Amino acid sequence: GENVEQHPSTLSVQEGDSAVIKCTYSDSASNYFPWYKQELGKGPQLIIDIRSNVGEKKDQRIAVTLNKTAKHFSLHITETQPEDSAVYFCAAITSGTYKYIFGTGTRLKVLA
Amino acid sequence: DVKVTQSSRYLVKRTGEKVFLECVQDMDHENMFWYRQDPGLGLRLIYFSYDVKMKEKGDIPEGYSVSREKKERFSLILESASTNQTSMYLCASSLPRQGVGEKLFFGSGTQLSVL
Repeated sequence: GENVEQHPSTLSVQEGDSAVIKCTYSDSASNYFPWYKQELGKGPQLIIDIRSNVGEKKDQRIAVTLNKTAKHFSLHITETQPEDSAVYFCAAITSGTYKYIFGTGTRLKVLA
Repeated sequence: DVKVTQSSRYLVKRTGEKVFLECVQDMDHENMFWYRQDPGLGLRLIYFSYDVKMKEKGDIPEGYSVSREKKERFSLILESASTNQTSMYLCASSLPRQGVGEKLFFGSGTQLSVL
């Protein structure tokens, strides 16, 4: 079946450094790729998304890139801050379905 | 501010008990979802509902059922709780938007322990 692989499972960076989380999806019909951030004690929240007709999208310190040929997409966080510490999930969705396929999550720790 | 509210933050139940997890959204969303979150496994879809009284099975529906009698409320039912159902349960909602994907709004989750 469809799946999304996410790496790494944990990531520690120094405050101010960059962080990159990578996902690979299996269903070539997937066309929407959101990223969710889950802070301690809270539900996941959408932080950025990208659609298959776009290669890159930026929102201040976060950016997402998509390589449809390789079926890869990545989250980039620059100038990391302690409040970026959280669990991040990628997901892939296929047009016409309600089914989000989530990655297994990355626990990001930003060390002050 | 939009809100998805799950009735309990923590629940402790005994094996064999019938368990109800309640979720209410105030955004008039058609779609509602129940996910289960386990370390290393990500979020797995149990059931979703795209309209009142309509439901579809997700990836792991065994041992669960759902009820949606009103648009704003979606309940997850564990008919006979077992220890392997100890987990974090997340409810979510979204607007229907065929073909382009739609933002999910999540509740804060219910941590269920079955002893």
